[in-house]
Amino acid sequence: AQSVTQPDIHITVSEGASLELRCNYSYGATPYLFWYVQSPGQGLQLLLKYFSGDTLVQGIKGFEAEFKRSQSSFNLRKPSVHWSDAAEYFCAVGPYNTNAGKSTFGDGTTLTVKP
Amino acid sequence: DVKVTQSSRYLVKRTGEKVFLECVQDMDHENMFWYRQDPGLGLRLIYFSYDVKMKEKGDIPEGYSVSREKKERFSLILESASTNQTSMYLCASSIRESSGYTFGSGTRLTVV
Repeated sequence: AQSVTQPDIHITVSEGASLELRCNYSYGATPYLFWYVQSPGQGLQLLLKYFSGDTLVQGIKGFEAEFKRSQSSFNLRKPSVHWSDAAEYFCAVGPYNTNAGKSTFGDGTTLTVKP
Repeated sequence: DVKVTQSSRYLVKRTGEKVFLECVQDMDHENMFWYRQDPGLGLRLIYFSYDVKMKEKGDIPEGYSVSREKKERFSLILESASTNQTSMYLCASSIRESSGYTFGSGTRLTVV
């Protein structure tokens, strides 16, 4: 069975500082991997995704993530955080090579940005 | 952009009522999903559908049912609402698993 672990429940960074949110997954084959962001009271928005090719993927809002198969990780990064990045972030893993599969989500990491 | 629209942002219902949560997507997506989101429990899948009239149970289907009579609409039904169904309900759709999901804005349901 697939699973996702986000080790950090809450992270606080200063505006302008760099950010890394951790995600570890468990899946028996090549997974699809996703990062989503949720602003308070809203639904989730897809930031970026990986399913093959270059292991460093670029997303919206200046975010990137790196797939490391040897570490079963897909960490999200941003070089300089803006106050508007304060939100909850979810990592998700989906089954490969199926159209009817469903994603499994991590429990989320809440990001607070200090002025 | 694909849009997923949930008919209500906030709902307050009484215990025992039958509740319908509606979700409509406008991009001909095959797959649709209903999740509930609770503090400390993350997102939990209730039901999903990969075609019209096709549905599968997710991780927590008890107390819920779904209907997908048309491709664009996926309804979640609480047969007899209970207070432990107070939650944020999120609908999502996808064209295929590799594309990721498009979520609606959510319906915050309170059962009193």
